[in-house]
Amino acid sequence: EAQVTQNPRYLITVTGKKLTVTCSQNMNHEYMSWYRQDPGLGLRQIYYSMNVEVTDKGDVPEGYKVSRKEKRNFPLILESPSPNQTSLYFCASSRIGDEQFFGPGTRLTVL
Amino acid sequence: SQQGEEDPQALSIQEGENATMNCSYKTSINNLQWYRQNSGRGLVHLILIRSNEREKHSGRLRVTLDTSKKSSSLLITASRAADTASYFCATDAEAAGNKLTFGGGTRVLVKP
Repeated sequence: EAQVTQNPRYLITVTGKKLTVTCSQNMNHEYMSWYRQDPGLGLRQIYYSMNVEVTDKGDVPEGYKVSRKEKRNFPLILESPSPNQTSLYFCASSRIGDEQFFGPGTRLTVL
Repeated sequence: SQQGEEDPQALSIQEGENATMNCSYKTSINNLQWYRQNSGRGLVHLILIRSNEREKHSGRLRVTLDTSKKSSSLLITASRAADTASYFCATDAEAAGNKLTFGGGTRVLVKP
């Protein structure tokens, strides 16, 4: 089944404790992206990647890192999480210029 | 401000009625996409309409695109309670390299 998976789905952590949210797709898509969704602000792009070893900043990259060592994986790293990074996070993938497939979301709470 | 902005922000209708929502954007686009999101869940792609297309249908969904007015509309015909969700338009701007910019969404409530 074609899908985008994210782990974990829910995470409660404390300020400053490094965490990684994994994202994996099995559709051989070149493009992958991370978004955060906050009430009243809609979905905002954090980082995206057009292919392996090619990443670029989205609209709200501060406090986040990504890597794209393999085509199927695009982890989101929070080196030192802060409470303002409490949000609902979505990973998505697509062929270039085509519809995006979204993962189920990761609800992160930073205390 | 966001590239795509939906109108209205919220819509409440009776089952069987049609629901129409609009999206306006600012810059030239390669395509415009509509997504649905059930509460707290991932977004599901509905329709992609390219800049050289004017209308597209998928089941009970009809999307129009007017590039001269930089606007699009999504029509859901004969709505069902299961259509209750938030609907987002997203634009793939010409200069943005596959980056999608989402609007704030329209919350649709279909009452049985």
